[in-house]
Amino acid sequence: KAGVTQTPRYLIKTRGQQVTLSCSPISGHRSVSWYQQTPGQGLQFLFEYFSETQRNKGNFPGRFSGRQFSNSRSEMNVSTLELGDSALYLCASSLRGQGASTDTQYFGPGTRLTVL
Amino acid sequence: KQEVTQIPAALSVPEGENLVLNCSFTDSAIYNLQWFRQDPGKGLTSLLLIQSSQREQTSGRLNASLDKSSGRSTLYIAASQPGDSATYLCAVRGGGATNKLIFGTGTLLAVQP
Repeated sequence: KAGVTQTPRYLIKTRGQQVTLSCSPISGHRSVSWYQQTPGQGLQFLFEYFSETQRNKGNFPGRFSGRQFSNSRSEMNVSTLELGDSALYLCASSLRGQGASTDTQYFGPGTRLTVL
Repeated sequence: KQEVTQIPAALSVPEGENLVLNCSFTDSAIYNLQWFRQDPGKGLTSLLLIQSSQREQTSGRLNASLDKSSGRSTLYIAASQPGDSATYLCAVRGGGATNKLIFGTGTLLAVQP
């Protein structure tokens, strides 16, 4: 069974540009979450999607947005990039999502975004 | 607000030693706690998940325990190997209809051959 895949793996952008990252969950998984990882702040939750609906959102500005498609694939978009957006962006998928205490989250390899 | 802390921040041990990594959290109302491993520049690999009703989970040389009332979890690694070198992260999932994980700051482990 294929794991969580993320594309692209590496991305270099300049300030002010926008970027779209993609995540394909494990087949059958309906929940997709996004995290930002930086050396200073560690891993921080961005948002979670379940069955095409955003179920939870972290404390990030509105420049960060996402969506989920009917096949559970998810994209996140960052507009008007800032230097501080440079980070490893990780997505995670899980099977049952809501209310399942046994639900293990499986992470993809991440997209390394560098903003110049 | 849930806060997760991991001690120590870094650890270096000789090969073959048994070791314990610690994780503490401030709000005991959790759904589960998960331990992950992260190799440099890579994603996270799930190691063990402990449900809130469980006390421990084991997988091979790894054993994780959970004491919800005191807000603590430990990851025990037996007979450490150089291949165990990585950053170990614990994460708690709160209650409710969300999969949001709150991560600790991690423990960087180096196992010397």
